[in-house]
Amino acid sequence: DQQVKQNSPSLSVQEGRISILNCDYTNSMFDYFLWYKKYPAEGPTFLISISSIKDKNEDGRFTVFLNKSAKHLSLHIVPSQPGDSAVYFCAAGMGTDKLIFGTGTRLQVFP
Amino acid sequence: DAGITQSPRHKVTETGTPVTLRCHQTENHRYMYWYRQDPGHGLRLIHYSYGVKDTDKGEVSDGYSVSRSKTEDFLLTLESATSSQTSVYFCAIRPTARSYNEQFFGPGTRLTVL
Repeated sequence: DQQVKQNSPSLSVQEGRISILNCDYTNSMFDYFLWYKKYPAEGPTFLISISSIKDKNEDGRFTVFLNKSAKHLSLHIVPSQPGDSAVYFCAAGMGTDKLIFGTGTRLQVFP
Repeated sequence: DAGITQSPRHKVTETGTPVTLRCHQTENHRYMYWYRQDPGHGLRLIHYSYGVKDTDKGEVSDGYSVSRSKTEDFLLTLESATSSQTSVYFCAIRPTARSYNEQFFGPGTRLTVL
């Protein structure tokens, strides 16, 4: 039973345009959600988080939107840059001990 | 840089042999985690620790054991490696001051079991 799902394994976006990465979840008890970025041969890097009591959080070019009624969150990257090409994981948690990760979406930003 | 190192970074071993992976942190964080990353599965939690000698199982703990005798070191052991344990293993720490269980990852260990 996969509680956090990223249904798009890959996404290709032109440089300068918006990248939208999506994530769905099934457990309405999650308290918070996070996005990570991962380059090949490196560990995942924390990008941005959002509490379940908010519907938007912004940090520079990165914005995360949360739609609790739809159990859906998305990460918007504007404008997209070639250095954003990576695998993006969403994760969800409740309490303080564990995170549950999605399967990842590979983003390619082309010139 | 969260001050996390993993050793070895790469290992090739044979089925049935024991393997120990080491995670070392320099900042005395209480929480440490072991994950494996596989295509189509994302990151899955194997075991985690919330203090010296305090550990608990994650979702894919079968075939793995852990030990934490010092705050800075968290060891993952495959008692008898199998080909299904070929994977990339990541260690992570969670600073207690963070709001939402933000975890910070080491560089990973690529393990191949032949």
